Amino acid sequence: NAGVTQTPKFRVLKTGQSMTLLCAQDMNHEYMYWYRQDPGMGLRLIHYSVGEGTTAKGEVPDGYNVSRLKKQNFLLGLESAAPSQTSVYFCASSYGGLAAYEQYFGPGTRLTVT
Amino acid sequence: GENVEQHPSTLSVQEGDSAVIKCTYSDSASNYFPWYKQELGKRPQLIIDIRSNVGEKKDQRIAVTLNKTAKHFSLHITETQPEDSAVYFCAASISGSARQLTFGSGTQLTVLP
Repeated sequence: NAGVTQTPKFRVLKTGQSMTLLCAQDMNHEYMYWYRQDPGMGLRLIHYSVGEGTTAKGEVPDGYNVSRLKKQNFLLGLESAAPSQTSVYFCASSYGGLAAYEQYFGPGTRLTVT
Repeated sequence: GENVEQHPSTLSVQEGDSAVIKCTYSDSASNYFPWYKQELGKRPQLIIDIRSNVGEKKDQRIAVTLNKTAKHFSLHITETQPEDSAVYFCAASISGSARQLTFGSGTQLTVLP
């Protein structure tokens, strides 16, 4: 069991470039989430999904898009990167059942936009 | 939306002493309160959580207390060890939704040997 994995681990982009971050989980979880973490701040929710084919906006969705075409994958896209999107991005997943609340986090992607 | 405030932002204790971190939340509908530990360069990992039908929960040296009336919850670490040094985050979420977590801003705990 790999748990939650993220690709890539590091990336440097120039302003205006685009990229996609991939999150994959092998725990058959229904719920998946994308967070960003900035220095001195907690994690902030960007987008989330409660099942294959569904997505919804979180607290800070502007400048990002997501897709969940397969249950095990959740993609985060930046169409036109800006320096303000320099951050560490974490993906998480959760079973979604009534008794299972824990979110499991991936190792993170460190993104720098110059 | 939910707002979670966490204090203090930094905390230094001597090895063997206790550490307490406090959080307050704004949405009375919140009913799940996890605590995550994050070591430098690593992912957040759940260390303990509590639901609103419970006032206190303990797991070895770690305990969490919840006061729903006052809308605050706290993490207690006893007999601290150097390996407890990390950033600790509290969070809150509402059951029945997609369980989105709203995080506090974190507490850097340093345990001095």
